[in-house]
Amino acid sequence: GDSVTQMEGPVTLSEEAFLTINCTYTATGYPSLFWYVQYPGEGLQLLLKATKADDKGSNKGFEATYRKETTSFHLEKGSVQVSDSAVYFCALSEAYSGYSTLTFGKGTMLLVSP
Amino acid sequence: NAGVTQTPKFQVLKTGQSMTLQCAQDMNHEYMSWYRQDPGMGLRLIHYSVGAGITDQGEVPNGYNVSRSTTEDFPLRLLSAAPSQTSVYFCASSYGGDRGEGYTFGSGTRLTVV
Repeated sequence: GDSVTQMEGPVTLSEEAFLTINCTYTATGYPSLFWYVQYPGEGLQLLLKATKADDKGSNKGFEATYRKETTSFHLEKGSVQVSDSAVYFCALSEAYSGYSTLTFGKGTMLLVSP
Repeated sequence: NAGVTQTPKFQVLKTGQSMTLQCAQDMNHEYMSWYRQDPGMGLRLIHYSVGAGITDQGEVPNGYNVSRSTTEDFPLRLLSAAPSQTSVYFCASSYGGDRGEGYTFGSGTRLTVV
């Protein structure tokens, strides 16, 4: 079945540092890929997405590129802020017989200090 | 505001009690899903629906029932609560299919079973 593997956290960075959170996936078909973010005490919010190979999703300074050859979708940001502290989830969506559901990684907590 | 509304936000149940977690969306989305979030486990799919009158099981369906009588509502029922069902529950909705739209999540229900 489908699965998503993320690097374990927490990831601890100083403000303005460069961020990479690794994500790899296994899927039987050609999935869409997502990054969701969960701020403390809140639900998940869609951060960015990519639907085909070499697509780059971007939002709020975060980027991720759909790499089919390496089955990866790593999240990057050039300069993190304290407000980026949250849990980040990589996920995929794959259609089966006309429907699709999300498969999540276990999440990576990011802690940014001033 | 448009979105996914979950009630209640918090609930404490005694073992063996029953309850219904409510979920409503006003975006005319076809797809709705229930997930549970547990520490170190990410989000796991409980049940999902691809339209009114159509539901199916996800990864962890045991102990939960669902029905979908309208497009807007997708309640999750616990018939006899167990401590293992202590978790944070999220409802999500989407336009459906592998369109790469992503899902919109509710703010969650934190359930404790004692």
